[in-house]
Amino acid sequence: QVQVLQSGAEVKQPGASVKVSCKASGYSFTIYGINWVRQAPGQGLEWMGWISGYNGNTNYAQKFQGRVTMTTDTSTSTAYMEVRSLRSDDTAVYYCARGPPTVTENWFDPWGQGTLVIVSS
Amino acid sequence: QAVLTQPSSLSASPGASASLTCTLRSDINVGTYRIYWYQQKPGSPPQYLLRYKSDSDKQQGSGVPSRFSGSKDASANAGILLISGLQSEDEADYYCMIWHSSSSVFGGGTKLTVL
Repeated sequence: QVQVLQSGAEVKQPGASVKVSCKASGYSFTIYGINWVRQAPGQGLEWMGWISGYNGNTNYAQKFQGRVTMTTDTSTSTAYMEVRSLRSDDTAVYYCARGPPTVTENWFDPWGQGTLVIVSS
Repeated sequence: QAVLTQPSSLSASPGASASLTCTLRSDINVGTYRIYWYQQKPGSPPQYLLRYKSDSDKQQGSGVPSRFSGSKDASANAGILLISGLQSEDEADYYCMIWHSSSSVFGGGTKLTVL
């Protein structure tokens, strides 16, 4: 079945970087995109950006431009998201979710299981 | 003012219906948007429920029961998720989402309690 499987939890110090992976299966990776969404503890959902599984084109939320990089590896059907200069308020569960092939409209289905990133000294 | 506003909580009884609203900021017209709805149970990732723009432009998520449906209230500039025949398993957080200004925007979520 269609699914996306994420890497495990991470604990990072402030100022460090974290890279989360998202491996897709059950569908053709290159004809869809991948979205990244985060959820701080007890809070709502926050969209971070989208990347094309076809050509790596990206669309970042303005808030994360310059601090987040999304990439893909089509040979392994895996998407990656790196967040740099981590702060304590980056502590959150990070989700990937399959999205549309182009981002003239956006949707999320299915979602990965989530990756908890804790930023603490 | 937030782009999407949802009531923080709602309670309803088993077997009853619940109407969850997602109000758009006054300068954007609900009629022009597809509204997506997601359900999140504690400790689990969100799941796609459905999208609704009009009766001719709507989609139910795979495996989502028909007792979940979408609509709009143009007078209130709001999207609505209607859940009929409430069950205890419907207790969850519900988020609406739209694609606005080249960004995905989520509402703050509604915690639905079934009691």
